[in-house]
Amino acid sequence: GDQVKQSPSALSLQEGTNSALRCNFSIATTTVQWFLQNPRGSLMNLFYLVPGTKENGRLKSTFNSKESYSTLHIRDAQLEDSGTYFCAAEAPQGGRALIFGTGTTVSVSP
Amino acid sequence: EAAVTQSPRNKVAVTGGKVTLSCNQTNNHNNMYWYRQDTGHGLRLIHYSYGAGSTEKGDIPDGYKASRPSQENFSLILELATPSQTSVYFCASGESQSQNTLYFGAGTRLSVL
Repeated sequence: GDQVKQSPSALSLQEGTNSALRCNFSIATTTVQWFLQNPRGSLMNLFYLVPGTKENGRLKSTFNSKESYSTLHIRDAQLEDSGTYFCAAEAPQGGRALIFGTGTTVSVSP
Repeated sequence: EAAVTQSPRNKVAVTGGKVTLSCNQTNNHNNMYWYRQDTGHGLRLIHYSYGAGSTEKGDIPDGYKASRPSQENFSLILELATPSQTSVYFCASGESQSQNTLYFGAGTRLSVL
């Protein structure tokens, strides 16, 4: 909920374009995870981040712990990038549970 | 690749009935979690577990119990199901040490009528 805020809530992209999703945290967290939920509902882990940047193919993610935000960049968007992207922060409670944002729904069109 | 299996995939229950959702993981992960997903709320944590015999309350535990009889299995129990518990439920596992990447099951769609 409010502890992890994602923006925008929805995004329409044309194939081949670039875009960025953002996640702001109001809780102290040392790690961030990004997930993609595909149109069938399956959740797939994209990145596990400590402060810094990781890249995987056309996706790049940065976690800035000092300013409490993370970004996910999509380069050269493809149809298969469509779905809902969630960011999540480790909760202050035990068990290393994650607190999720409400997601950014990305629709990529030809 | 980590494997988390949920059953059933779909369930229709009556108000006041008992529902058990099952989750099995073959990753030998210590931590397991139950989340529910509702429109506008993202995923919210119901219960979690550190290992066999352990269950802990998450953010929205009311109306739910959990059971972790073994490292591999983690169940979510609705003793008296209510329509407000209609949702999609996800189980996940994660290693407690170092990088705790979470791996999710495919989800269980529960309708309480």
